[in-house]
Amino acid sequence: GAVVSQHPSRVICKSGTSVKIECRSLDFQATTMFWYRQFPKQSLMLMATSNEGSKATYEQGVEKDKFLINHASLTLSTLTVTSAHPEDSSFYICSARTGRLYNEQFFGPGTRLTVL
Amino acid sequence: AQTVTQSQPEMSVQEAETVTLSCTYDTSESDYYLFWYKQPPSRQMILVIRQEAYKQQNATENRFSVNFQKAAKSFSLKISDSQLGDAAMYFCALRVGYTGTASKLTFGTGTRLQVTL
Repeated sequence: GAVVSQHPSRVICKSGTSVKIECRSLDFQATTMFWYRQFPKQSLMLMATSNEGSKATYEQGVEKDKFLINHASLTLSTLTVTSAHPEDSSFYICSARTGRLYNEQFFGPGTRLTVL
Repeated sequence: AQTVTQSQPEMSVQEAETVTLSCTYDTSESDYYLFWYKQPPSRQMILVIRQEAYKQQNATENRFSVNFQKAAKSFSLKISDSQLGDAAMYFCALRVGYTGTASKLTFGTGTRLQVTL
């Protein structure tokens, strides 16, 4: 149990276009979802935290208008990278937290975004 | 603010041997969790072990155990009988607060573990 999926796993787009990444908790309801960005050989950097039905809370330095996060249901959150540029190329990882004991947090497999 | 420091960018261990990965952290809070996550080449983050700060007993999960020194704010991971499948990036992480949506993970910079034959 406690599986988090991401779609797509890999996406290549042209500069200036928008890309949407989906994150789903497949067998549990996620009270909170998190979006991370990971550059090669670096750690995970938290971009934003979202609760179902609420606006996302963005970390300092993360552009809200560029990285749109929607948490429409307890099992789905989306990250839209608007007007993508080559510097947005990165590995994006979502994570979902249950409301159960320990508030366990489970990670998706990640999405590799390449902006040409 | 919370910080997590992993001072070993890379470590190497021979198969069947034991290796210890270091982690120190800083927080002014009294209630927190500490975690070790494994990120293999597939990039999927996998929880290795969890430690609650209020528990004095060190957590163990099969071949994985921690040495939690609360006063020293140290949280090292020991891997016994290392296997080739243990090769991965290991991240130490801290989460302040046991409940509440405001609590979030702070990650260290990671230690890349190589396992040799």
